[in-house]
Amino acid sequence: DTAVSQTPKYLVTQMGNDKSIKCEQNLGHDTMYWYKQDSKKFLKIMFSYNNKELIINETVPNRFSPKSPDKAHLNLHINSLELGDSAVYFCASSQGQISSYEQYFGPGTRLTVT
Amino acid sequence: GQQVMQIPQYQHVQEGEDFTTYCNSSTTLSNIQWYKQRPGGHPVFLIQLVKSGEVKKQKRLTFQFGEAKKNSSLHITATQTTDVGTYFCAGPEHGSSNTGKLIFGQGTTLQVKP
Repeated sequence: DTAVSQTPKYLVTQMGNDKSIKCEQNLGHDTMYWYKQDSKKFLKIMFSYNNKELIINETVPNRFSPKSPDKAHLNLHINSLELGDSAVYFCASSQGQISSYEQYFGPGTRLTVT
Repeated sequence: GQQVMQIPQYQHVQEGEDFTTYCNSSTTLSNIQWYKQRPGGHPVFLIQLVKSGEVKKQKRLTFQFGEAKKNSSLHITATQTTDVGTYFCAGPEHGSSNTGKLIFGQGTTLQVKP
C-alpha cells in the first residue's frame, strides 16, 4: 500500500493553463505539506495543513492555492501557469505539525510548462 | 533569514571509498533530520538527531550532531552503488518548531563508480 500518493506523476501543459495536483495519505497523519523542488534539487516548503487548517503559507504567487478537504487529502491548484512553475512538486505528511516528526514524501509530480 | 548549507554539492567516489557530507546551520537547531533521494525518486527519511554531540549509526552510515547543535555530518563507510543519490539535511525553522516547517540544505549528490 502506498503511504503518500500523488496524481498525476507527470503533467505537461502550456503557459496560461490551470492545473491541479492531488495528494492522499493513508498513514493517519494530521499534517500534510506541499514542497517545490527546482532543477537544482532545492526543496522549498510551500504550504502545510494540519487537520484541514492552513499552518504554513510561504511567499508563493497567489496563483497557487492549496485545498484540504479532509486530513487525508491535500490538493494544489495552479492558475495561469508560467514557465517558471516547471519543477517537481512533492506532497508530504507527518504525524503532527511538530518539526521533530519525520516527513513522508509522495512520489512527486513533474510539472513541465511549455 | 535562516540558512542550512551543505557541502560538497557533488561527490564522485570509487566503490569502496568513504564519503562524508557536512551540514551547517546559521542558527542553533533543536533537531536535525537526514533524508535520501534516489535519482528520479522522492526524499526518504533516514534519521533524526536531537542531542548535542549525538552519534547514531545505521549499518555503514554514521550521523553526528555537533556539540553546538549548529552542524551535522553523514559519513558512509565503504560506499556501494546502492548509496547513489542526494542526501539532504533539514532542520526546523528557528522559532517555528511547532509548525513542522523544515529548512532543507541544498543536498549533496553522491555518485559511486563501480
